[in-house]
Amino acid sequence: DTGVSQDPRHKITKRGQNVTFRCDPISEHNRLYWYRQTLGQGPEFLTYFQNEAQLEKSRLLSDRFSAERPKGSFSTLEIQRTEQGDSAMYLCASSFGDRVHGYTFGSGTRLTVV
Amino acid sequence: GESVGLHLPTLSVQEGDNSIINCAYSNSASDYFIWYKQESGKGPQFIIDIRSNMDKRQGQRVTVLLNKTVKHLSLQIAATQPGDSAVYFCAESPDTGRRALTFGSGTRLQVQP
Repeated sequence: DTGVSQDPRHKITKRGQNVTFRCDPISEHNRLYWYRQTLGQGPEFLTYFQNEAQLEKSRLLSDRFSAERPKGSFSTLEIQRTEQGDSAMYLCASSFGDRVHGYTFGSGTRLTVV
Repeated sequence: GESVGLHLPTLSVQEGDNSIINCAYSNSASDYFIWYKQESGKGPQFIIDIRSNMDKRQGQRVTVLLNKTVKHLSLQIAATQPGDSAVYFCAESPDTGRRALTFGSGTRLQVQP
């Protein structure tokens, strides 16, 4: 499978716990993006990386959200002290260079905070 | 703020009919528009895109129309098939190099056999 891979597919956590999601982009893609999608809504941009550099993070929802891409390959998105309002689908996408046309999304991680 | 939205939340069509899904955008600076299809449990899948210097673009069974005067985008699907049932989103970007896409809230297409 050469698509964008996300792990886990589903995560149920108790309010107040920390969670971390992983995204493995398409191998030749140097850009990686994180989005959040709530039920019935379109994806909402959170942050993106070019290689290991995080070039846009002002759209992260709060300081409880952080993302890393330490070696320019896979990325992690962490949510600290989860709240029920964090329940959503977290999508990762990757692309090569500036070409938005080549944006490829993963299947997402469904987070449920109870 | 600037946003991309859709006129109809649900569209039901008969198999074999043509489908038209509409989208309104408000950012006059938008230069690039994309339609995505999202099936249950999957991420959005690229369908077709169009630049603002065009008013029509055709793909396989799909056509995107752009009316910049009224800031309106539409997706036409010819001979709709059951496999076309999904949620469709339009997304916009100020340019093709834009890092973040702004999505609308989606239209669910239901194809009746």
